[in-house]
Amino acid sequence: GEDVEQSLFLSVREGDSSVINCTYTDSSSTYLYWYKQEPGAGLQLLTYIFSNMDMKQDQRLTVLLNKKDKHLSLRIADTQTGDSAIYFCAESPGGGNKLTFGTGTQLKVEL
Amino acid sequence: GAVVSQHPSRVICKSGTSVKIECRSLDFQATTMFWYRQFPKKSLMLMATSNEGSKATYEQGVEKDKFLINHASLTLSTLTVTSAHPEDSSFYICSALGRNTGELFFGEGSRLTVL
Repeated sequence: GEDVEQSLFLSVREGDSSVINCTYTDSSSTYLYWYKQEPGAGLQLLTYIFSNMDMKQDQRLTVLLNKKDKHLSLRIADTQTGDSAIYFCAESPGGGNKLTFGTGTQLKVEL
Repeated sequence: GAVVSQHPSRVICKSGTSVKIECRSLDFQATTMFWYRQFPKKSLMLMATSNEGSKATYEQGVEKDKFLINHASLTLSTLTVTSAHPEDSSFYICSALGRNTGELFFGEGSRLTVL
């Protein structure tokens, strides 16, 4: 189908690692993105990965890309309560700037 | 860093009225701006692509006479929801593509409630 799929909810304990998964659709996407949205706010770009990379690490964030399976994941190490938000993956079909967003994963961090 | 500002952040209006939402790139020029709509607990749906000095390109299913988009300058795009109805209530988010950097920045969003 056309949808970029994500699981809807993820609950983790503070200090644990969180892994948010995404299955995208367009193999021509040049970049794949992860955005964070806090309640009532816009989108904040967390990180992105170029399509010819397998992995990218940026402080507590690790992005893994499996192009064969069109699977993208975001790992947040040492998850904190401030990480509670909705996380969207996004693809860039045809390598353009019109992004197609995933359905979003609500991350809840519990004490 | 680059900032995209949306105004108003929240607006409540009566059914049948029109509402204008502004999207400004504050410290960079944006040749292209995108307008998204987000339903509760749903993803963002691209509504239209706005290019400075030309007509907006609307996605399939989006009524261009309902959602008027104007991109009069390299730092401002506006979305006007005409004759708003309760089903138009939503969170509208814009993004701006930096003219020189090619980077994409998102606004904070505007929540529209139509009574």
